[in-house]
Amino acid sequence: KNEVEQSPQNLTAQEGEFITINCSYSVGISALHWLQQHPGGGIVSLFMLSSGKKKHGRLIATINIQEKHSSLHITASHPRDSAVYICAHVAGNQFYFGTGTSLTVIP
Amino acid sequence: DADVTQTPRNRITKTGKRIMLECSQTKGHDRMYWYRQDPGLGLRLIYYSFDVKDINKGEISDGYSVSRQAQAKFSLSLESAIPNQTALYFCATGGSGGRPTGELFFGEGSRLTVL
Repeated sequence: KNEVEQSPQNLTAQEGEFITINCSYSVGISALHWLQQHPGGGIVSLFMLSSGKKKHGRLIATINIQEKHSSLHITASHPRDSAVYICAHVAGNQFYFGTGTSLTVIP
Repeated sequence: DADVTQTPRNRITKTGKRIMLECSQTKGHDRMYWYRQDPGLGLRLIYYSFDVKDINKGEISDGYSVSRQAQAKFSLSLESAIPNQTALYFCATGGSGGRPTGELFFGEGSRLTVL
């Protein structure tokens, strides 16, 4: 069964804090995605990775294929980072989504 | 213009009404998906299509139907809407041909309320 679990479900941070969101999955994958959903509802892709680490601005995504685990880090968090972050993995041509981590960054 | 456009963005309807949600994309992708999002649940797949002649059921297809009118257009219909179909619906596109699906591009979502 393809399961994707994220932790924490909800996270509140002070502006400037370092944030980590975790994602665990149950089956072998071809790729893992991190998505961001803004309060208005739209979803955008942040990262797609199958090994190692990727960095984009203040966002860093890592994956450990052997442990079936990925993390999304946000450095120097800012209120505009407030959103729901969703982890998804690809098995075959299907996407399996976590339930999301709701992040609120307080000024 | 957005890469993936959904219409309508918001719709309130009554039980038993027929509703169509439309999706068009300018990415040139073959693969298109319809997902449903409910509070506390991850995105769940309703239907997907890997080309114009290909339609496949997802995990929650009951009560829904789709039509792939062209490579760029994929519509979702609720033949007789019921209140538990109240949700946020997303169309997404990504990947073509035999290549693995890469990045997914989402529409802005269609919020449907069934009274």
